[in-house]
Amino acid sequence: DSGVTQTPKHLITATGQRVTLRCSPRSGDLSVYWYQQSLDQGLQFLIQYYNGEERAKGNILERFSAQQFPDLHSELNLSSLELGDSALYFCASSHRGRYTDTQYFGPGTRLTVL
Amino acid sequence: AQKVTQAQTEISVVEKEDVTLDCVYETRDTTYYLFWYKQPPSGELVFLIRRNSFDEQNEISGRYSWNFQKSTSSFNFTITASQVVDSAVYFCALSEGGNTGKLIFGQGTTLQVKP
Repeated sequence: DSGVTQTPKHLITATGQRVTLRCSPRSGDLSVYWYQQSLDQGLQFLIQYYNGEERAKGNILERFSAQQFPDLHSELNLSSLELGDSALYFCASSHRGRYTDTQYFGPGTRLTVL
Repeated sequence: AQKVTQAQTEISVVEKEDVTLDCVYETRDTTYYLFWYKQPPSGELVFLIRRNSFDEQNEISGRYSWNFQKSTSSFNFTITASQVVDSAVYFCALSEGGNTGKLIFGQGTTLQVKP
């Protein structure tokens, strides 16, 4: 158990809908990361937050947004969903959010868009 | 551009065989970190090791060992006397330098250990 929690574990929804994925970091970690794992793209970095502020952005679609709250939990919002958004979404956390950190991953949320 | 290549898509071995998973990386940074993660069939990503670019000492942890060679930009992972429980997808990753922890992952190597 990494100490990172993600809810829900599974999510099935329809095209055009909007969903919210939630992540709680390990105790003491200030930085949260979101990654998407799909068969065609592999594991791709989406976005990073550190202590409530956005720190880095990857290949995140404009339809996707995220935030980190004062209690350090984070939410990833996916809107106008398409079939191609079906993937495993991981949240990870680390202490300082720097390249020297080890990131610990949550169990993931499997999103299926029908 | 930073890149991680795991050329072996799938490897199949019989229990107790040794197996090496290859990882080659590209970066323009002089300071960077490399990682290995394991993704068992249950789906979670489990951290295995972190290595910084200054430390070329090989590392051994039980049946696992890692060989980092800066000259060839490689960070290979060897499992000695493999076991069925080692069956998983293994990912090598590179962290970009600077004030971000963004990880760049390789495509992963699926290891199947047969009894």
